[in-house]
Amino acid sequence: DADVTQTPRNRITKTGKRIMLECSQTKGHDRMYWYRQDPGLGLRLIYYSFDVKDINKGEISDGYSVSRQAQAKFSLSLESAIPNQTALYFCATSVGSQPQHFGDGTRLSIL
Amino acid sequence: TQLLEQSPQFLSIQEGENLTVYCNSSSVFSSLQWYRQEPGEGPVLLVTVVTGGEVKKLKRLTFQFGDARKDSSLHITAAQPGDTGLYLCAGETRSGTYKYIFGTGTRLKVLA
Repeated sequence: DADVTQTPRNRITKTGKRIMLECSQTKGHDRMYWYRQDPGLGLRLIYYSFDVKDINKGEISDGYSVSRQAQAKFSLSLESAIPNQTALYFCATSVGSQPQHFGDGTRLSIL
Repeated sequence: TQLLEQSPQFLSIQEGENLTVYCNSSSVFSSLQWYRQEPGEGPVLLVTVVTGGEVKKLKRLTFQFGDARKDSSLHITAAQPGDTGLYLCAGETRSGTYKYIFGTGTRLKVLA
């Protein structure tokens, strides 16, 4: 079983829809992160959480929200999806402050 | 805006050749990481460098952190097709708030 599991792996949806991407981990790490990856732009940090009660905005948090339901679960929501949120989304975990373990990503397309 | 610039963006070489990938910034990093990413997967951490001038080796891969901790390089000796992938550098700055940024990546293809 993967240490960091993201669901769904692929999603196609329409503009204006609410979408939730889920991430669960079996590493026992306190720290979790959400990134988006776009061609030519690398990975950019959306939100991060250093423990269950700690939520912080990253570089590009506008249009996104997160929930840390438990140490092992960190979900990302797009309240009203727009086409420029089409991207590859990654969840990651760490012990220190550098993300160490990434999920295999969610490919999200917004039409 | 802090940037980590990687060069080259794309590299296609023959098996057995050597190559170097560069990661440069105007910012000072408290640590720098290199990752490799393959299609359909997340990045996999290869190495962390912390001290200016530090050199680390991982089989045929040699990583160096610049003396001023603003840049890094990855050198691959005798590249193999299994080295094909997207190489990403990333670094953490200590500027009051947490800031961890990724480079734009170097896409390497090693031809058999």
